[in-house]
Amino acid sequence: SQQGEEDPQALSIQEGENATMNCSYKTSINNLQWYRQNSGRGLVHLILIRSNEREKHSGRLRVTLDTSKKSSSLLITASRAADTASYFCATVYSGAGSYQLTFGKGTKLSVIP
Amino acid sequence: EPEVTQTPSHQVTQMGQEVILRCVPISNHLYFYWYRQILGQKVEFLVSFYNNEISEKSEIFDDQFSVERPDGSNFTLKIRSTKLEDSAMYFCASTEGWGGNIQYFGAGTRLSVL
Repeated sequence: SQQGEEDPQALSIQEGENATMNCSYKTSINNLQWYRQNSGRGLVHLILIRSNEREKHSGRLRVTLDTSKKSSSLLITASRAADTASYFCATVYSGAGSYQLTFGKGTKLSVIP
Repeated sequence: EPEVTQTPSHQVTQMGQEVILRCVPISNHLYFYWYRQILGQKVEFLVSFYNNEISEKSEIFDDQFSVERPDGSNFTLKIRSTKLEDSAMYFCASTEGWGGNIQYFGAGTRLSVL
């Protein structure tokens, strides 16, 4: 399998706290993407980080990538109740012509108002 | 903002019946994908499509599955003879330019096979 695991599987925090989710993968990648999914809904793209990047920011989101450890983390700062959702990392393999996303199992985040 | 549109949102069918799931990708996108998510499990890649042909497919995408771009806007997934285990959420996605870019997903079609 190309993809490893995300941890934690579930995370419950108070509104205003920061949430950190981790993702590991197994193969060399071209890029890693984080997606959000509200219960029973579609996948919303959050951020893409390329294999030659180490950190990327978008609003309250901060993503890091450590290709030597084959791992990434997503930090959501100053969480809000509306951030309650499942968060998935997905990798694009570095092999030529292969663009499929390989998803992890996700972290279910609950932000308590 | 342009979005990927999928219809229907929910499809109920009897085992053995054929279903066609429809998608309208974002208009200037070139790569198209289908994924599925069985309830409670991770999202799994089915197939990618570029330049009017399949470019990649997974082990899940067997002879029961086919994809088509019948016109300039629609992208369909057909399951010829549905099985109970085909019950899942099916997502269509599309990418602008190079296939490794951001994939934009539709809201999904929930397929229930009875």
